[in-house]
This record gives sequence, structure tokens and C-alpha cells, in this order.
Amino acid sequence: NAGVTQTPKFQVLKTGQSMTLQCAQDMNHEYMSWYRQDPGMGLRLIHYSVGAGITDQGEVPNGYNVSRSTTEDFPLRLLSAAPSQTSVYFCASSRPAKNIQYFGAGTRLSVL
Amino acid sequence: LAKTTQPISMDSYEGQEVNITCSHNNIATNDYITWYQQFPSQGPRFIIQGYKTKVTNEVASLFIPADRKSSTLSLPRVSLSDTAVYYCLVGDPNSGGGADGLTFGKGTHLIIQP
Repeated sequence: NAGVTQTPKFQVLKTGQSMTLQCAQDMNHEYMSWYRQDPGMGLRLIHYSVGAGITDQGEVPNGYNVSRSTTEDFPLRLLSAAPSQTSVYFCASSRPAKNIQYFGAGTRLSVL
Repeated sequence: LAKTTQPISMDSYEGQEVNITCSHNNIATNDYITWYQQFPSQGPRFIIQGYKTKVTNEVASLFIPADRKSSTLSLPRVSLSDTAVYYCLVGDPNSGGGADGLTFGKGTHLIIQP
């Protein structure tokens, strides 16, 4: 069982570069979410989706874009990376109760 | 959205029972209480969820008093491998759209010593 798969596991960017963090789930879950986690902090919700074609903003959406063209995939795009976006990013999915989430292994991003 | 309050950290020893309490004074009628565990360098893992009274599974027990303004996660006979951060979340799982139940706080860092 693959569950929630995030790629890449590690990434280093220069300020101003763009990139896409990939997230895929094979459980046919409707809900998908992106979180960031900074040292000593809990997880903060960036964006979430309640189904294909539907996305909404979480607590810290600035600097990030998402789309949900299929049930399986929920990519997170950084349009112009900034050092403040250095963090560990987690993707999660859930169904049917949205508050029982399954998390990926995370992507460690450094922006220099 | 119901706000939760947990202790920042707790210490205990192997073999002891550990109880972590979460306060959620403004919990709504349809809200459930959900606990996650997170080890370093891993994503959070669902532990247990409950609505009222007591819920038990193979990992933990969750105690919820009648007024539901708090809940207690109980870990029986902890071991070193239970050292982790534990998060309490409150939200309505059937609210459809919205971020209800998706908000993590800073959690409780539980350290188990030999």
C-alpha cells in the first residue's frame, strides 16, 4: 500500500526560483491538505481541497498555489521561493471523515 | 473553530502510564476529538478519535468527560519509543467544506526516560 506519496524528499532552491512539490494518494480520498512545519512549531495548514476541482486557503497560503485536477494528485507550487519558505512540507489525505488524516513522509525544502 | 490547549512538554519513565490532557472549552455539539502522534522526521499518525465518554484501541485510551470541555489521552506502560509529539485536534468531521478539524497546535512533546 503506497498511501500518500510525496516527491521530492529533499530540495534546495535559490531565492526566486519556482518549483512544484508533488503529492499523490492511492486511497481514493476526497480531502487533501498541505501543511508546513517549522522547528519547534506545530503544523500549519497552507491549502486544502475537498475534492477534484475544489481548493481553499488555510492559515498560511501566501506564496503558494495549488490545484486539484484529479482525485489522486494535489501539487503545491512555489511561484518565487523565499528563505521564509524553508520548512518541512507534509501532504495529507482523508476520507470519509476529514479529520482522520493520512500523512506523507514530507519534503524538506531549503531556500538559500 | 474550537481552540485547543495542551501542555508544551511532559516527562515520564518507561513502564508508567502517561496522561496528556487537552482543553477545548468552546467545543461544538458536532465536534469530535482526534489525537495524532508525530515522531521526528515523520508525518503525524492518527492515534484515536472520540466524541464522548471513553474510547480504547490497541494503542491508547481517550477519556472525555460529560461536558466535553477537555479530553485526556492515556498511554499505558510507555516505552522509549513513545517519545514523540502528541497533537489534539477538535472539529466536525462531517462539516463538508472548510478547514474545521484540520488545525494543529504546537502539540505536547512527550519524553520517556529509561
